[in-house]
Amino acid sequence: GDSVTQMEGPVTLSEEAFLTINCTYTATGYPSLFWYVQYPGEGLQLLLKATKADDKGSNKGFEATYRKETTSFHLEKGSVQVSDSAVYFCALSGASYDKVIFGPGTSLSVIP
Amino acid sequence: SAVISQKPSRDICQRGTSLTIQCQVDSQVTMMFWYRQQPGQSLTLIATANQGSEATYESGFVIDKFPISRPNLTFSTLTVSNMSPEDSSIYLCSVGVGLGRTDTQYFGPGTRLTVL
Repeated sequence: GDSVTQMEGPVTLSEEAFLTINCTYTATGYPSLFWYVQYPGEGLQLLLKATKADDKGSNKGFEATYRKETTSFHLEKGSVQVSDSAVYFCALSGASYDKVIFGPGTSLSVIP
Repeated sequence: SAVISQKPSRDICQRGTSLTIQCQVDSQVTMMFWYRQQPGQSLTLIATANQGSEATYESGFVIDKFPISRPNLTFSTLTVSNMSPEDSSIYLCSVGVGLGRTDTQYFGPGTRLTVL
């Protein structure tokens, strides 16, 4: 079945460091891909999405490019801030059904 | 987009009791979803609730344990029945917004349940 794999956490970075969180997926057809973020004590928020190959989603300085050839959707940010500390979930919505499958999540801590 | 509210935001319950969680959306939506997020874990889909039809449950979840109602296009409830400490989780309602399929899901703030 369809699935999402993310890099293991927790990830700890210093402020202004470059962030990459790897995400790969397995799916039939052409899924939509998402990154969701969960700040401490809060619900999930959609961070960005891409719906077809080579699309780049971006929001709040974060970017991710839909790479069909490598079945990847890595999240990147050039300079992280303390306020980016959260858990990040990669997810997909398959072409053949209307539900979202989430990866295990990657916890990010940014220290001053 | 969609704005979703859930009640209660948190609760502490005794083993063997039941809790009903409410989910209210600010617009009419066809598809609503209920997820469970156990401590430190990712989200697991419990069921999909479409208005006017029976909820569709994922493997490992059954209607007797998690009955769902969907009386209209803006509201749903999830009941956690005969609770045990293993049911301690965050329960999240979400809605799908898109053209034909769930292009984007929006989530409620969650209900944090602790079972003693």
